[in-house]
Amino acid sequence: DTAVSQTPKYLVTQMGNDKSIKCEQNLGHDTMYWYKQDSKKFLKIMFSYNNKELIINETVPNRFSPKSPDKAHLNLHINSLELGDSAVYFCASSHPGGGIETQYFGPGTRLLVL
Amino acid sequence: EDKVVQSPLSLVVHEGDTVTLNCSYEVTNFRSLLWYKQEKKAPTFLFMLTSSGIEKKSGRLSSILDKKELFSILNITATQTGDSAVYLCASNTGNQFYFGTGTSLTVIP
Repeated sequence: DTAVSQTPKYLVTQMGNDKSIKCEQNLGHDTMYWYKQDSKKFLKIMFSYNNKELIINETVPNRFSPKSPDKAHLNLHINSLELGDSAVYFCASSHPGGGIETQYFGPGTRLLVL
Repeated sequence: EDKVVQSPLSLVVHEGDTVTLNCSYEVTNFRSLLWYKQEKKAPTFLFMLTSSGIEKKSGRLSSILDKKELFSILNITATQTGDSAVYLCASNTGNQFYFGTGTSLTVIP
């Protein structure tokens, strides 16, 4: 059973388009995250939600808007895509506290903006 | 500013060598230090460390945390080509995970 899943796995689109990436976890975790990993492999947090509430919003353009309809889902919508948005986007979930603080990552979504 | 720094950035070794990867951290509300291995896909969890001086081992990999000096090391003995990957460390402060830039390890046959 997939613990953290993301769709799509690959996304190729033109500049200026709007696209969404979906993430779902079946681990019963309270907290979900979106990370961006650039070509230099640096993993940088973008957003974190705990029980559907936004708790971390790093310096990310407001073209990026996360939405959490329930604690098992955290979707990422990107408006007016730019070339610099090309990266791998990872969703992750974790269960802070109780000694279980590991993060489980989704397989990633490779976004290429042309 | 919270940060995690890894060194070296990259490393090339021959099969059978032993390597030590370093991770130092400066974060508020530190809770744990985590190590991940990333090949071509998503990072996969290796270790979580919360207490100083207690070594965690998994096969040829081991890791230890020093909370006084604020660093951790990841050791890999008798390296194999399958160990080639980027190794990430991250510091957890509750709901936030701060990642280092990673160490890219290449093991040559």
